[in-house]
Amino acid sequence: AQSVTQPDIHITVSEGASLELRCNYSYGATPYLFWYVQSPGQGLQLLLKYFSGDTLVQGIKGFEAEFKRSQSSFNLRKPSVHWSDAAEYFCAVGPYGNKLVFGAGTILRVKS
Amino acid sequence: DADVTQTPRNRITKTGKRIMLECSQTKGHDRMYWYRQDPGLGLRLIYYSFDVKDINKGEISDGYSVSRQAQAKFSLSLESAIPNQTALYFCATSNGLNTEAFFGQGTRLTVV
Repeated sequence: AQSVTQPDIHITVSEGASLELRCNYSYGATPYLFWYVQSPGQGLQLLLKYFSGDTLVQGIKGFEAEFKRSQSSFNLRKPSVHWSDAAEYFCAVGPYGNKLVFGAGTILRVKS
Repeated sequence: DADVTQTPRNRITKTGKRIMLECSQTKGHDRMYWYRQDPGLGLRLIYYSFDVKDINKGEISDGYSVSRQAQAKFSLSLESAIPNQTALYFCATSNGLNTEAFFGQGTRLTVV
């Protein structure tokens, strides 16, 4: 069965430190991969997406992610976290029958 | 104005009541989706529609129904609300298989 795993429910990093959020997926073909961010009281905003081509993709707000087929992973990274990055982050995989499957989310806390 | 608008933003209702959540979009997308978000479970698909005449059940459709009144409008109904339907509900739209989904700001529903 198709699935998305975000192993870390909560992560706390210091402002200015680097960040890596993990995402592993199970899918039978080349997936479409997404990272979304949800700020408190807000909807989901797309950070970046991977469909094909270069496996390192750049997104908004200084985020990047790397698709590693051999590890079935699509980890999100940022070299220096800002306090405004505190939010919940969702990895999603498609197109399972033309619809997205989401991970459970990772809540990022940033300490000053 | 938001591209994907959900109304109401917050609603408290009693067990057994019928309630409708509405979604409208100005993006001109054919595809619309309703997701439910629960803490620790991420987003799960309730229903989706690829055009006005096309309605499909998602992962967790029991207890819900939908209506696609026009290309721009997609409503979600709870015929007889129960407490475990308390959740954050998101409407989303997309323009095809290999494009990202755009989300509304969510409707927080509490069933007491």
